[in-house]
Amino acid sequence: DAKTTQPPSMDCAEGRAANLPCNHSTISGNEYVYWYRQIHSQGPQYIIHGLKNNETNEMASLIITEDRKSSTLILPHATLRDTAVYYCIVSFKAAGNKLTFGGGTRVLVKP
Amino acid sequence: DGGITQSPKYLFRKEGQNVTLSCEQNLNHDAMYWYRQDPGQGLRLIYYSQIVNDFQKGDIAEGYSVSREKKESFPLTVTSAQKNPTAFYLCASSVQRKATDTQYFGPGTRLTVL
Repeated sequence: DAKTTQPPSMDCAEGRAANLPCNHSTISGNEYVYWYRQIHSQGPQYIIHGLKNNETNEMASLIITEDRKSSTLILPHATLRDTAVYYCIVSFKAAGNKLTFGGGTRVLVKP
Repeated sequence: DGGITQSPKYLFRKEGQNVTLSCEQNLNHDAMYWYRQDPGQGLRLIYYSQIVNDFQKGDIAEGYSVSREKKESFPLTVTSAQKNPTAFYLCASSVQRKATDTQYFGPGTRLTVL
């Protein structure tokens, strides 16, 4: 699975958009980009995933660059409950689709 | 209520004892996974199972064992051979039939070996 690089931490003001970058320059053509988040001492929560096109759901938007070497997760209106560690993962359907979690980005939403 | 349950939430054991962590899911998912998380770190895969009566080692399987006798259950045994067993253990499951298999996680079990 391709490796990802994320900033270790970032702050965001409550009510503003949070833009979380992820680099995955070695991604292969059939690998998907997944985003999960983990609130302190809980299990990770699935947010969104995509292959080539931008994706949006009730939680977030995922913007993938045309060359697929990087992506951005957008939380449109951050709330205090969005404070968590956000993991960007690339994976394809093989070997049980195991997910390789790196260090993630620790997001602190401030009032 | 559909979901993944792990019990207990906190577990204490003496060094040298084996301990079994429970993971049950009623989502009718084919695949199940066990991850370990150490403080400030990401998750590392211990074992996974794509079908009943079959499982594969993940990246850090040494000192652990699993069984998959039923689709709903995937217990993890932490043996005395595991050198640093104190950690947060997370179980996950996913549907194998789709092209993208989103994994859904349980609440985790925090194991402390004294």
